[in-house]
Amino acid sequence: AQRVTQPEKLLSVFKGAPVELKCNYSYSGSPELFWYVQYSRQRLQLLLRHISRESIKGFTADLNKGETSFHLKKPFAQEEDSAMYYCALSGGAAGNKLTFGGGTRVLVKP
Amino acid sequence: DADVTQTPRNRITKTGKRIMLECSQTKGHDRMYWYRQDPGLGLRLIYYSFDVKDINKGEISDGYSVSRQAQAKFSLSLESAIPNQTALYFCATSDRARGELFFGEGSRLTVL
Repeated sequence: AQRVTQPEKLLSVFKGAPVELKCNYSYSGSPELFWYVQYSRQRLQLLLRHISRESIKGFTADLNKGETSFHLKKPFAQEEDSAMYYCALSGGAAGNKLTFGGGTRVLVKP
Repeated sequence: DADVTQTPRNRITKTGKRIMLECSQTKGHDRMYWYRQDPGLGLRLIYYSFDVKDINKGEISDGYSVSRQAQAKFSLSLESAIPNQTALYFCATSDRARGELFFGEGSRLTVL
């Protein structure tokens, strides 16, 4: 079975401070990992995926297979980063079916 | 961006009533999904469909049924609603190639 754990329900940081959202997963095969974000009054949307190895809005995430983690990081948080963030995993045989973590709410204070 | 549209957006109903949530999409995607969102639990998959003739149960399908009327339409039904089905329900679509999910705005259901 596949599982995604986000241990922090709420992260509160000051503007300009670094922010790191933790994500750990369990899956026996080679997973695809994603971060989705939901800004206030907007739809849930893809932020980034590990296979793209890209930085979106200053965020990066590295897949660490040894630690089964996919933490999301940004060196300097901005107020517009305040949102709900979900880590998600897709297993190969299951196609695009995603398993989501419980979510982390990020609050960036001025 | 109204590519994935859910109706109704809000619904209050009573225990035992039958409820249908509808989802339509104009993205031309084959794959459609119904998720349920509860605080602290994230999104949990109820049902998914990879094409019109393919319907699959997700992790929490008990008490729910679905219908894929066409490539663009995927409905979720609660035959006899109960209070613990009070939640925010999301429809999503994806294509085979990229795998990215595109979500609707959600349907908030309250069962009294």
